[in-house]
Amino acid sequence: DQQVKQNSPSLSVQEGRISILNCDYTNSMFDYFLWYKKYPAEGPTFLISISSIKDKNEDGRFTVFLNKSAKHLSLHIVPSQPGDSAVYFCAASQGGNNRLAFGKGNQVVVIP
Amino acid sequence: DTGVSQDPRHKITKRGQNVTFRCDPISEHNRLYWYRQTLGQGPEFLTYFQNEAQLEKSRLLSDRFSAERPKGSFSTLEIQRTEQGDSAMYLCASSLEVLNEKLFFGSGTQLSVL
Repeated sequence: DQQVKQNSPSLSVQEGRISILNCDYTNSMFDYFLWYKKYPAEGPTFLISISSIKDKNEDGRFTVFLNKSAKHLSLHIVPSQPGDSAVYFCAASQGGNNRLAFGKGNQVVVIP
Repeated sequence: DTGVSQDPRHKITKRGQNVTFRCDPISEHNRLYWYRQTLGQGPEFLTYFQNEAQLEKSRLLSDRFSAERPKGSFSTLEIQRTEQGDSAMYLCASSLEVLNEKLFFGSGTQLSVL
């Protein structure tokens, strides 16, 4: 069963505009959420995270929002740059064991 | 380079053969994880170690799969009697034993079973 779900598998956005990626989860015990970015032929690289005690975390152009009651989080990238073209994975963990459950990923293409 | 290293990067084998992959984590990381990723899917957890102890195994890890981390440093993942369904990217990751610590991933080993 997919505990972390990412719909809308692909997104195309113009350079300079906002990219918004969405993620839903079903396990209410998840207490830590992360976004990873993956380029072809490379492993996922960490982007940004948020603890369940917060509802927003910002790091430069990247902001993650968490809505616990809706079991929903989103990643905003502003402004989008061509180097942001990659697959983005939403992941979640519980209980501090750092074992991550991943979504299927969203392909983002930033058009120059 | 002090990142997570995986070897080999690519492996092609015939069905029924055994294969072994190696992972060298970041040196100060005492947690090591194995994940598997198939086309169009996100990484799926297989197993993880804290130092040399294997603390959890996924139901995805059939009895043909075995993982070791003999001295709490590098790890090996062996697949016996490979099947075509084993074709996937096998990813290794490591982390510190710290609450809510992010995982650092290697570039993976791409396995193709013919």
